Amino acid sequence: EAQVTQNPRYLITVTGKKLTVTCSQNMNHEYMSWYRQDPGLGLRQIYYSMNVEVTDKGDVPEGYKVSRKEKRNFPLILESPSPNQTSLYFCASSPTSGGADLTDTQYFGPGTRLTVL
Amino acid sequence: QQQVKQSPQSLIVQKGGISIINCAYENTAFDYFPWYQQFPGKGPALLIAIRPDVSEKKEGRFTISFNKSAKQFSLHIMDSQPGDSATYFCAASRGSGGYQKVTFGTGTKLQVIP
Repeated sequence: EAQVTQNPRYLITVTGKKLTVTCSQNMNHEYMSWYRQDPGLGLRQIYYSMNVEVTDKGDVPEGYKVSRKEKRNFPLILESPSPNQTSLYFCASSPTSGGADLTDTQYFGPGTRLTVL
Repeated sequence: QQQVKQSPQSLIVQKGGISIINCAYENTAFDYFPWYQQFPGKGPALLIAIRPDVSEKKEGRFTISFNKSAKQFSLHIMDSQPGDSATYFCAASRGSGGYQKVTFGTGTKLQVIP
């Protein structure tokens, strides 16, 4: 089954304790991205990756790190989490074609609800 | 700075009615405009998308209207059904060469009442 998986699904942690949220896709997609979703703010892009070893900042990258060492995995790292990073996080992937076809949808994972105390 | 402004924030429509959600963007470099549907507890899923070289795209009961000069686009849901009750997000990105940065609107919570 084609899917994007995220772990953990729920996480409660304390300020300053480093954490990693994993994201994996089994569709051989080149493009992967991380978003955070907050009430009233919609989804905001944190980082995206066009391919292995190619990453770039989205609109809200502060406080986050990513790496793309393998095509299927795109972990999100919070080196020193703070309460303002409490949010619902989504990973997404998409095939990348030259002049993206309208059907090149982003497939979203199930989300990770993070609470930083 | 919100580069894609979405309205209304919430919408209540009677079954069989037309739901209309509007979005406006600022960056003229955007060339791909998708709409996503999100049910509670789920990730967003692509509903329909359009490029700025056409003014309208229709898929079943869902239609995107696009006004390039006004930098506005809207989603129309015809014959709205209770199963359409969800949160809808518009988005904009530079799609040539594949996805790059993607900017979402703030979302519209649609409730279709029987």
